[in-house]
Amino acid sequence: AQSVTQLDSQVPVFEEAPVELRCNYSSSVSVYLFWYVQYPNQGLQLLLKYLSGSTLVKGINGFEAEFNKSQTSFHLRKPSVHISDTAEYFCAVTTNTGNQFYFGTGTSLTVIP
Amino acid sequence: ETGVTQSPTHLIKTRGQQVTLRCSSQSGHNTVSWYQQALGQGPQFIFQYYREEENGRGNFPPRFSGLQFPNYSSELNVNALELDDSALYLCASSLDRVGIMNTEAFFGQGTRLTVV
Repeated sequence: AQSVTQLDSQVPVFEEAPVELRCNYSSSVSVYLFWYVQYPNQGLQLLLKYLSGSTLVKGINGFEAEFNKSQTSFHLRKPSVHISDTAEYFCAVTTNTGNQFYFGTGTSLTVIP
Repeated sequence: ETGVTQSPTHLIKTRGQQVTLRCSSQSGHNTVSWYQQALGQGPQFIFQYYREEENGRGNFPPRFSGLQFPNYSSELNVNALELDDSALYLCASSLDRVGIMNTEAFFGQGTRLTVV
C-alpha cells in the first residue's frame, strides 16, 4: 500500500514571500503524485501532477513541485504567495494499477497581509 | 467549476438513521469514486464504481454502500448512522479508473453530513 506524510499541518507566510509545503510518500512500486487545493467549503482542485518525465512539474496559479525519488518527496513551492492562496493543500499518491488516491492529512497555508 | 455536482450540500441526521447522497458526474465520465473527509483530515477512499460495477473498496463497513446508474450518476448510502460518520463526503468523477495513465479526477464540492 501507499501512504503520504505532510510534515507541516499549518504554514503561515507573509504576502509576496516564498513558500514550500512538504510531502513525503511511501510505496514499494512506482507512483503518480498530485497536489490538490481545497478552499473553504469547496471540493478539491488539482494544482499539478507528476506522472513521469521531468521531475520539475509546473501547475496552475504559479505553483511548482519537484519529484525526488531518492528522498521519496514531492514538495510544493511558490516563489511569491498572494492572499488568495490561503487554503488547505493536500498531497496525494496513486499507482498505475491503483483505483484510489491516498491523501496526506493536509497543510493549512495562511497568507498574512 | 468541475462539472461534478453533489446534493444536498448540507445535511443533518440523527444517529441510527439512513442517508443517501447523490453525485452527478462530468459528462462522458464512466468512473466515480467516493471519499470521506473528517474534520482536519485528508480524504479517505470509500469505494469506486466503474461502468456500474464496484471497482475497489476502502476500509469502510458494509453499511456504506453505493450505486452507479447507466447515466453514470451515483449514490452513496449509509445505514445506521453513527456520530463518527459526520464528515464531508466528496465525489470524484474521471474518464477511467484513477491510476490509469493521465486520468484526472474531478471533485465535486462535497456534502457536509452532520450526525447528532
